[in-house]
Amino acid sequence: DARVTQTPRDKVTEMGQEVTMRCQPILGHNTVFWYRQTMMQGLELLAYFRNRAPLDDSGMPKDRFSAEMPDATLATLKIQPSEPRDSAVYFCASGLVWAGSRPSGANVLTFGAGSRLTVL
Amino acid sequence: QKEVEQNSGPLSVPEGAIASLNCTYSDRGSQSFFWYRQYSGKSPELIMSIYSNGDKEDGRFTAQLNKASQYVSLLIRDSQPSDSATYLCAVGPNFGNEKLTFGTGTRLTIIP
Repeated sequence: DARVTQTPRDKVTEMGQEVTMRCQPILGHNTVFWYRQTMMQGLELLAYFRNRAPLDDSGMPKDRFSAEMPDATLATLKIQPSEPRDSAVYFCASGLVWAGSRPSGANVLTFGAGSRLTVL
Repeated sequence: QKEVEQNSGPLSVPEGAIASLNCTYSDRGSQSFFWYRQYSGKSPELIMSIYSNGDKEDGRFTAQLNKASQYVSLLIRDSQPSDSATYLCAVGPNFGNEKLTFGTGTRLTIIP
C-alpha cells in the first residue's frame, strides 16, 4: 500500500530549540498538507502545497513556523524557536486534489502516521 | 463559534446497535463533507464522503447531508467493538480536498 511517511515519529525538545519535521508524500499526489492536532483545537490546517508551490500558510504562526517543499518527494515543517504551546501531533497528508466543479472519488487525503512533538 | 461542531462524547453504544454521530457547520457555501475515523494514537482515515443532500450508504455506514440545515451525520449499523474510535467530521469549500475544516471529533465506544 502507498503511504505517506513522516519523520520523526516522536520528538522531545527544550523550549527555544529548532525542530524540523519531514514528510514524503505518496508518489503522484499533487497536493501536500500540514495539519496540527491538539485535544483542545482538533485538527488545524497549517499550510499546503500544490505541485510544490505554497498555496496557503495562513494557519501557521509566521514568526516561528516555516513550511517548504524542496522537491516532489519531500515536504518540511520547521519551528524555530519552539515553545511549549507547540506541543501537538503534526500530520502530513497528501492527495490528488482536483478543485473542479464535480466531486471525484479520487479526492482522497491520505494521512501520515504523525509526528508527536513535546516541547519542555 | 467553531466552524465545524461535533459533540465530543464519549458516546457509548451497545454492540449490534446503531451509532449516530452528528456534525453541524457554519459556512453555508460548503460543498464537500467527509467522515474520518481515528483510532487512538493513529492517523485519520477516510470512511465516507458526501456531496449532495440525502443519504449515501457504504456497507454498515450511512452518511446523511442536509445543506439547508447545515447538518451532516453518520450512522453506523450493527456496531462492532472495532468501530470504537474518534470520528472526525470535515467540511470543504469545494469538491476537492482543499482547506478542509475538521471538527474536534466524537469519541465512540461500542460496548460488547
